[in-house]
Amino acid sequence: AQTVTQSQPEMSVQEAETVTLSCTYDTSESDYYLFWYKQPPSRQMILVIRQEAYKQQNATENRFSVNFQKAAKSFSLKISDSQLGDAAMYFCAYRSFTGTASKLTFGTGTRLQVTL
Amino acid sequence: GAVVSQHPSRVICKSGTSVKIECRSLDFQATTMFWYRQFPKQSLMLMATSNEGSKATYEQGVEKDKFLINHASLTLSTLTVTSAHPEDSSFYICSASRGLAYEQYFGPGTRLTVT
Repeated sequence: AQTVTQSQPEMSVQEAETVTLSCTYDTSESDYYLFWYKQPPSRQMILVIRQEAYKQQNATENRFSVNFQKAAKSFSLKISDSQLGDAAMYFCAYRSFTGTASKLTFGTGTRLQVTL
Repeated sequence: GAVVSQHPSRVICKSGTSVKIECRSLDFQATTMFWYRQFPKQSLMLMATSNEGSKATYEQGVEKDKFLINHASLTLSTLTVTSAHPEDSSFYICSASRGLAYEQYFGPGTRLTVT
């Protein structure tokens, strides 16, 4: 079974600064998807960014980018120019590539605080 | 696009009663829906996967007779918590997908409190 580990329960960043959230995972599969989800106080899960394991290029979405190290099974999220609205729980998630096993496995989450 | 709604957003019920939570995909046909449970300050734990027109697949440790899931149409799945007890109090989140290989879109969640 796949596991996802987020070793930082809480992180803090000043507004306009950059922060990196860590995620490692364990799998025996060669093809899979990785995701970062944001859960603000409203509890609505919002997809931040996604990475296909077969792609060598790191995914980027505006201020959000990932550092995907397949051999190290590491998938960190970098948030640049942090904004107050970025404050939330961030969950790293894994999903198998094959259509018969598309369920998401979540990490334990990292609570991000953004300070003035 | 890809909006998923849940109803109710909050519900309080008495111990021993049953409560139903609805999950709807508003602008797409959801062949597959997922039900998650989230305890305070914890991650999402998958309870079951349901495919339209067939029986749900439950994760290990989830009682299928207690958490009844119905996915009778391509836009609606329901989770019924039967004979609820205080330990069932939690935040329940559904997600919907066009199919097993497609993106999951999450509903806003339902907070269940059993008194």
